[in-house]
Amino acid sequence: AAGVIQSPRHLIKEKRETATLKCYPIPRHDTVYWYQQGPGQDPQFLISFYEKMQSDKGSIPDRFSAQQFSDYHSELNMSSLELGDSALYFCASRSRSGGRTTDTQYFGPGTRLTVL
Amino acid sequence: LAKTTQPISMDSYEGQEVNITCSHNNIATNDYITWYQQFPSQGPRFIIQGYKTKVTNEVASLFIPADRKSSTLSLPRVSLSDTAVYYCLVGNTGRRALTFGSGTRLQVQP
Repeated sequence: AAGVIQSPRHLIKEKRETATLKCYPIPRHDTVYWYQQGPGQDPQFLISFYEKMQSDKGSIPDRFSAQQFSDYHSELNMSSLELGDSALYFCASRSRSGGRTTDTQYFGPGTRLTVL
Repeated sequence: LAKTTQPISMDSYEGQEVNITCSHNNIATNDYITWYQQFPSQGPRFIIQGYKTKVTNEVASLFIPADRKSSTLSLPRVSLSDTAVYYCLVGNTGRRALTFGSGTRLQVQP
């Protein structure tokens, strides 16, 4: 079965550079979530999109922005990178099912961002 | 979302049954209980979800007492590959994001 695809899988950037992470949700999933997981930390929610509109916002820095496109893929844009941005970034998607509580989120393999 | 409390870590041996208990005293009437599993450097993976009594699937069982203030994830006959972090999440998430607390790090030894 198709899973959530994230690219790139690994990314190395210098401080103050920019980075773009991409997420391709499972086909027919209409909601995308972005999470950040620092070393030894638990995943923290950043932002989510439903039907191409931002639906919820978590602890996403102002230096970050994201959007969901017409084909439902999403991109997380990160500017003025800091050392503390080094983390695993996960994308998750959820199916269009009328909002049943029992619907689960399916996570991608993550993008490991290292800021030097 | 209701706050959850679960053990920081647990150790087990291959072939044993492992039970991880999660406390959620402030669970609301319309909240569900969901467990996720996360291997190192991988995204969390849904294991099981329940509302009350007992739920079983091919991976685990979830026991929820009548007062729903706690729940127990049961992994039958664990193997080395079950070594992971297990997260208990409580809420009526709908389309809302997941809020991960501190999970339980399970270490299975030979």
